[in-house]
Amino acid sequence: GAVVSQHPSWVICKSGTSVKIECRSLDFQATTMFWYRQFPKQSLMLMATSNEGSKATYEQGVEKDKFLINHASLTLSTLTVTSAHPEDSSFYICSASAQTGVYEQYFGPGTRLTVT
Amino acid sequence: AQSVAQPEDQVNVAEGNPLTVKCTYSVSGNPYLFWYVQYPNRGLQFLLKYITGDNLVKGSYGFEAEFNKSQTSFHLKKPSALVSDSALYFCAVFYNQGGKLIFGQGTELSVKP
Repeated sequence: GAVVSQHPSWVICKSGTSVKIECRSLDFQATTMFWYRQFPKQSLMLMATSNEGSKATYEQGVEKDKFLINHASLTLSTLTVTSAHPEDSSFYICSASAQTGVYEQYFGPGTRLTVT
Repeated sequence: AQSVAQPEDQVNVAEGNPLTVKCTYSVSGNPYLFWYVQYPNRGLQFLLKYITGDNLVKGSYGFEAEFNKSQTSFHLKKPSALVSDSALYFCAVFYNQGGKLIFGQGTELSVKP
C-alpha cells in the first residue's frame, strides 16, 4: 500500500514553454503533498507544501509564480513549471501524507525535467 | 533550528564488511528520525524510522540504526555490505512545527566487490 506515482517520469521541453508534472496517490487519500527539487547527488530541497483545496505554502526563495502547484483533489497534485529555462532542469520529487502534520510521507519516483 | 548533518559525502566499503553511515541531528523536543535510500534517477525508498522505544531500530534490507540521545546521533549500519547497497542515503528528521521532513545532505555509499 501507500503508493505514489508521478507522470511523466522524464520530460524534455524547450526554453520558454511550460510543463506540468502530476503526482498521484494511488491507494490512499493524500491530505498533504510535498514537492521537492533535487540537483545531481545533492539533497532534496523542499519547494512547497500543499493541502487539498488550499493554496500551496512555498518555501523561502521559491518563486510561486514560476512553480505553480495545484492540489485539487485528495489524490492529485500538479506542479507546473512556467516559462521554463535551462536552470529549471532538475529532478522533481513529490511525496504525500495521509494527514497534515503526520510524519509518514510516501515518495513518488521522481520526474527528470530537461529544458533545452 | 532543526537540522540534520551527514558528515561524510562518501563512504567506501568492501563487500562483506560492515558499513556505517553517520547522521547527527539537532531538534527541539523528541526527534522523529528517518533513513531513506535513493538509487540513480529514482525516488526515495524508506529504510527505517525511530519514533520512540528501543534505541536499536531494524529496517529493510538488513539495515539497522542506533538512536543515541546523548550524542544526538542516528547512524545507519549493516553487518555485511552488498554491492547492491551502493546508493545515496539520506537521514531526515521530522519537524513537528512545520509538518515537514528536513533532510541531511546525503551520503553516497559505494560497495566494491
